[in-house]
Amino acid sequence: NAGVMQNPRHLVRRRGQEARLRCSPMKGHSHVYWYRQLPEEGLKFMVYLQKENIIDESGMPKERFSAEFPKEGPSILRIQQVVRGDSAAYFCASSPSQGRGTGELFFGEGSRLTVL
Amino acid sequence: DQQVKQNSPSLSVQEGRISILNCDYTNSMFDYFLWYKKYPAEGPTFLISISSIKDKNEDGRFTVFLNKSAKHLSLHIVPSQPGDSAVYFCAASANNNNDMRFGAGTRLTVKP
Repeated sequence: NAGVMQNPRHLVRRRGQEARLRCSPMKGHSHVYWYRQLPEEGLKFMVYLQKENIIDESGMPKERFSAEFPKEGPSILRIQQVVRGDSAAYFCASSPSQGRGTGELFFGEGSRLTVL
Repeated sequence: DQQVKQNSPSLSVQEGRISILNCDYTNSMFDYFLWYKKYPAEGPTFLISISSIKDKNEDGRFTVFLNKSAKHLSLHIVPSQPGDSAVYFCAASANNNNDMRFGAGTRLTVKP
């Protein structure tokens, strides 16, 4: 009965490199959300995906960031040409249906990205 | 634009006493409010929620109060236990929106 699995837990990148964060939702969950937590700040919504579809990416920076949730395999959050300001904890959450603030968001343990 | 605000970054209480965590919001369209609890090196876990049609929801030692006119909600934990020590996030959403907004969190420490 695995929960939401995120990897890597910790990732160190140099400026200009690419970062890929993976998220496997809970079994039976087809909705995935990505949140970012900057130091001393709350969780900020980035993107909401269903299998093969981006439903809402209103929280994603317009450049360098992309997300996908393919038919097979985990959801991927990709950050190209990372900068120091990208250093943060990235949390993935999943739900069996549209979360909608019903308390049905189940979070992973997060991936902490450090950009040197 | 911080639509959900938790103005107290930390709170310390004695075991057995009441913990009161506060949260303010600015968006009058929010109609669902939640509290999440987060331990170090773990993801947030859902604790309790309240719909805007209610002003109180209770679950064991945890009670959430909502004051819509003041755009304020609070989480009461009584009696507080050392295991309650964690960061508590207030969250809100509007109109079936996927965009759940979180506050910055309050770190609660319950001393034995």
